[in-house]
Amino acid sequence: DAGITQSPRHKVTETGTPVTLRCHQTENHRYMYWYRQDPGHGLRLIHYSYGVKDTDKGEVSDGYSVSRSKTEDFLLTLESATSSQTSVYFCAISEPGLAGGYEQYFGPGTRLTVT
Amino acid sequence: GQQLNQSPQSMFIQEGEDVSMNCTSSSIFNTWLWYKQDPGEGPVLLIALYKAGELTSNGRLTAQFGITRKDSFLNISASIPSDVGIYFCAGQGVTGNQFYFGTGTSLTVIP
Repeated sequence: DAGITQSPRHKVTETGTPVTLRCHQTENHRYMYWYRQDPGHGLRLIHYSYGVKDTDKGEVSDGYSVSRSKTEDFLLTLESATSSQTSVYFCAISEPGLAGGYEQYFGPGTRLTVT
Repeated sequence: GQQLNQSPQSMFIQEGEDVSMNCTSSSIFNTWLWYKQDPGEGPVLLIALYKAGELTSNGRLTAQFGITRKDSFLNISASIPSDVGIYFCAGQGVTGNQFYFGTGTSLTVIP
């Protein structure tokens, strides 16, 4: 399972409140990712990190920020949650495979409901 | 963002039958990955493919990296009830370390 944990696993929050989701990995992976998964859209990249304090935006980054102050932790923050951010959020890491390619492994997910 | 075309969207098959699904892209990829996701859980990596034309097996699963680098397929032979779930393809772009995903194939196996 690549040693990935996410917390919390479930959260219900109200519109307008800040929310932080945590991803923790134990195997010193350089690359970490945050995705959201919604019916009909598949997995969409929010932000990713290629090292401590090195992050970049993904396809659906509006309304989200991230921080990575330690190799093992990648935090996703919703500054002011909206109902459109109700989703399942997955953290992932990637590690080298063969022939210069990479494999990606996922955490168990966080189900977030914004009421 | 780029999304892969994955088909079929859903399949209902009898136990023991073989299954085939595929993904296509308008861009070439360095790596093709196939995942299975059970309800309430994260996707689990089944097979990784790294070279055009590569054919790789994992038990009853066989996947191929298309020769054009723009497609891949997954076969499941002799399906069993625990094969039920959603199967995703993913491709790693040729620049950077980003991955792009299909919308999934929902598989139902009827005992």
